[in-house]
Amino acid sequence: DTEVTQTPKHLVMGMTNKKSLKCEQHMGHRAMYWYKQKAKKPPELMFVYSYEKLSINESVPSRFSPECPNSSLLNLHLHALQPEDSALYLCASSRPIAGAMNIQYFGAGTRLSVL
Amino acid sequence: SQQGEEDPQALSIQEGENATMNCSYKTSINNLQWYRQNSGRGLVHLILIRSNEREKHSGRLRVTLDTSKKSSSLLITASRAADTASYFCATDEGMKTSYDKVIFGPGTSLSVIP
Repeated sequence: DTEVTQTPKHLVMGMTNKKSLKCEQHMGHRAMYWYKQKAKKPPELMFVYSYEKLSINESVPSRFSPECPNSSLLNLHLHALQPEDSALYLCASSRPIAGAMNIQYFGAGTRLSVL
Repeated sequence: SQQGEEDPQALSIQEGENATMNCSYKTSINNLQWYRQNSGRGLVHLILIRSNEREKHSGRLRVTLDTSKKSSSLLITASRAADTASYFCATDEGMKTSYDKVIFGPGTSLSVIP
């Protein structure tokens, strides 16, 4: 099973809403990632979890709150977002082999629209 | 900061022709990867080339890496309409950690016309 599952596929929310994005993998990967991708742009790294610990936060605004409850799950909690946060949010996972950039397995993404 | 940069930004070819995309990067790397993304979908890994390799093949894909010039190229031979997608090179920062700080190039949008 080389699948990373993201839910929901689409999300529309108002600026005062609270919502969560969910990501799940069962490949035994211990590194998980959140990326944000705007139209016609490459994915931009937001957060990295390694062994369920937050390892990288790329200066993401606090209205985005990541959570890694266990080695298979990754959540992204959203609160008080702005219209410019509308984007495709991608989750990825990789094997934790140090010293070698590992293949990343991506989910299909959540298309987020903030009204 | 942007690690990888690609050209061309967009490429349109006829089915059966070859497509070549180039990527340049700035710092030392462990390896370089190429990914494909169909419109609005997740990225799919295509091929990985290690920093001590110069060329690698996988089916209709050929990747080269020139670490002295900090550049790589992806060649897709005998293109098909199904190859229409965006292609991204991806590099790390040579970190020795159990996770990767991956930086994607701006990508090349490939259109293969039937």
